Amino acid sequence: DTEVTQTPKHLVMGMTNKKSLKCEQHMGHRAMYWYKQKAKKPPELMFVYSYEKLSINESVPSRFSPECPNSSLLNLHLHALQPEDSALYLCASSRARQGGDTEAFFGQGTRLTVV
Amino acid sequence: AQKITQTQPGMFVQEKEAVTLDCTYDTSDQSYGLFWYKQPSSGEMIFLIYQGSYDEQNATEGRYSLNFQKARKSANLVISASQLGDSAMYFCAMREGRKITNTGNQFYFGTGTSLTVIP
Repeated sequence: DTEVTQTPKHLVMGMTNKKSLKCEQHMGHRAMYWYKQKAKKPPELMFVYSYEKLSINESVPSRFSPECPNSSLLNLHLHALQPEDSALYLCASSRARQGGDTEAFFGQGTRLTVV
Repeated sequence: AQKITQTQPGMFVQEKEAVTLDCTYDTSDQSYGLFWYKQPSSGEMIFLIYQGSYDEQNATEGRYSLNFQKARKSANLVISASQLGDSAMYFCAMREGRKITNTGNQFYFGTGTSLTVIP
């Protein structure tokens, strides 16, 4: 099983709403990531969790709040977003080990529209 | 400085022909990994091929091969016998060894190349 499952696939939310994105993997990976991707641009790293601890936060605004409740799950809580936050949000996982020798597996993403 | 450079925003290739997508990288690490991902319009990033910095042989996976020239810091993707389903964005990515600690990992992505296969 090399799947990373993201839900929902599409989300439309108002600027005052609170919503959550969910990501799940059962590959035993201990590194999990959130990326934001705008159209025709590369993914931009937002957060990295390693062994369920937040290890990288790329200066993401506090309206995005990540959570890693266990080694298989990664959530992204959204609150008071802006229209410019509309993007494809990708979750990924990989083994957490030294060396450059492990690929990241990506989910299908959540297409978020903020209205 | 850009860690990963992809200089071809768009490429066209005739069906059944081979195509090379360029990627150069910048790192001072001895240990690193290079990856290629395909992203169709559906959005999912699909892992294609991996090359480790210490690998002496060029990586191959089916119709995909990676032309690794370490001294020139290039890692070009070659797709042989192109198919219509190969039309997608292709991203080159790198993971540096020294970043790989218990504190997590980081993949650097290039800007991507949009490949269109013409029937």
